[in-house]
Amino acid sequence: AQSVAQPEDQVNVAEGNPLTVKCTYSVSGNPYLFWYVQYPNRGLQFLLKYITGDNLVKGSYGFEAEFNKSQTSFHLKKPSALVSDSALYFCAVSPNTGGFKTIFGAGTRLFVKA
Amino acid sequence: GAVVSQHPSWVICKSGTSVKIECRSLDFQATTMFWYRQFPKQSLMLMATSNEGSKATYEQGVEKDKFLINHASLTLSTLTVTSAHPEDSSFYICSAARTEYNEQFFGPGTRLTVL
Repeated sequence: AQSVAQPEDQVNVAEGNPLTVKCTYSVSGNPYLFWYVQYPNRGLQFLLKYITGDNLVKGSYGFEAEFNKSQTSFHLKKPSALVSDSALYFCAVSPNTGGFKTIFGAGTRLFVKA
Repeated sequence: GAVVSQHPSWVICKSGTSVKIECRSLDFQATTMFWYRQFPKQSLMLMATSNEGSKATYEQGVEKDKFLINHASLTLSTLTVTSAHPEDSSFYICSAARTEYNEQFFGPGTRLTVL
């Protein structure tokens, strides 16, 4: 079965330190990969996506993600965390088999302490 | 980017009544829209895929007679929760697919509370 795993329910990091939010997937073929952020009672905001090309993808608000095909991972990273980065982060995968059906991970809550 | 709006942003209704939620793509045409449901502290659950001019495709376990979806135009899809009950209380999020971007654009969500 196709799935997306975010192994950490919560990630805690101090402001100014680098952060990583992990994501692995089990989807056949060459899927499209996404990261979204959600603030309380809000919809999803797009951060970045990987379609093809360079394995390091740069996105909004200083975030980037590294695609690793052999490990089927797409970890989200930021060199220096901000308190305002505290939110719920979702990894998502679209199987790229026609249509835009998307599989979401369970989400990882990021807490950045001042 | 593209803008997707939802209306209302929140709604409170009595048990047994029906509630309609609108999803609009404001600056592009979307032949395909999606409706998701999100429970507190949980991920998004795809409810159905809405295709303009045709019947929606519902995911397994979603009652099509309870969650009526209409996609009458390329910029509007509606979700009607019929005979709502407290267990239907949730955060409902729509998205619109934009082919040229290879991605979905999400609405801000609608918080439904059924008393």
